Amino acid sequence: DVKVTQSSRYLVKRTGEKVFLECVQDMDHENMFWYRQDPGLGLRLIYFSYDVKMKEKGDIPEGYSVSREKKERFSLILESASTNQTSMYLCASSLVDPYTEAFFGQGTRLTVV
Amino acid sequence: RKEVEQDPGPFNVPEGATVAFNCTYSNSASQSFFWYRQDCRKEPKLLMSVYSSGNEDGRFTAQLNRASQYISLLIRDSKLSDSATYLCVVKAASNYQLIWGAGTKLIIKP
Repeated sequence: DVKVTQSSRYLVKRTGEKVFLECVQDMDHENMFWYRQDPGLGLRLIYFSYDVKMKEKGDIPEGYSVSREKKERFSLILESASTNQTSMYLCASSLVDPYTEAFFGQGTRLTVV
Repeated sequence: RKEVEQDPGPFNVPEGATVAFNCTYSNSASQSFFWYRQDCRKEPKLLMSVYSSGNEDGRFTAQLNRASQYISLLIRDSKLSDSATYLCVVKAASNYQLIWGAGTKLIIKP
């Protein structure tokens, strides 16, 4: 079974802190994604990576950065956490094959106080 | 216009009924299509892929209409456990990015 693992299920951070969310997948997928999900807004893409050290901005990259130093690991960084970044963060991975699905981690519910 | 649109619902449906919802997409060059199911406070999980010829998996039937640019999901003999949010996903032809609908909430009532 494909496994996508996010480092934390729940996280509480203070405003201004630098926050790292880690995601690891074990199926050698080329593509990895970071989304945030808020009620009524659906899944919004923050960043997308299609290879090691490669990244593309998604729809809402402001206030975030990413790092992909190894194929299996994709990190999301909140440079200076703000209360409007309180959300559910979901990592996903997929093969580059257009006909295969994406697999998700269990999500990290981040609260910024 | 959003790239992928779904009726947010909620659809309130009695147990045993048949329910269907659609998802429209704007990019005619979209490559592939999927339905995901998401339970409350959980991650989305693949329900089924959508093939050009349509496909069925038990009580679930998915269809693609390329001419009108929509996909559909039909659930027959609905169960209480079908209550969830159903997300439509379109894979872009250019870079295989995933374009998500906002989801349709389904509530099955006894």
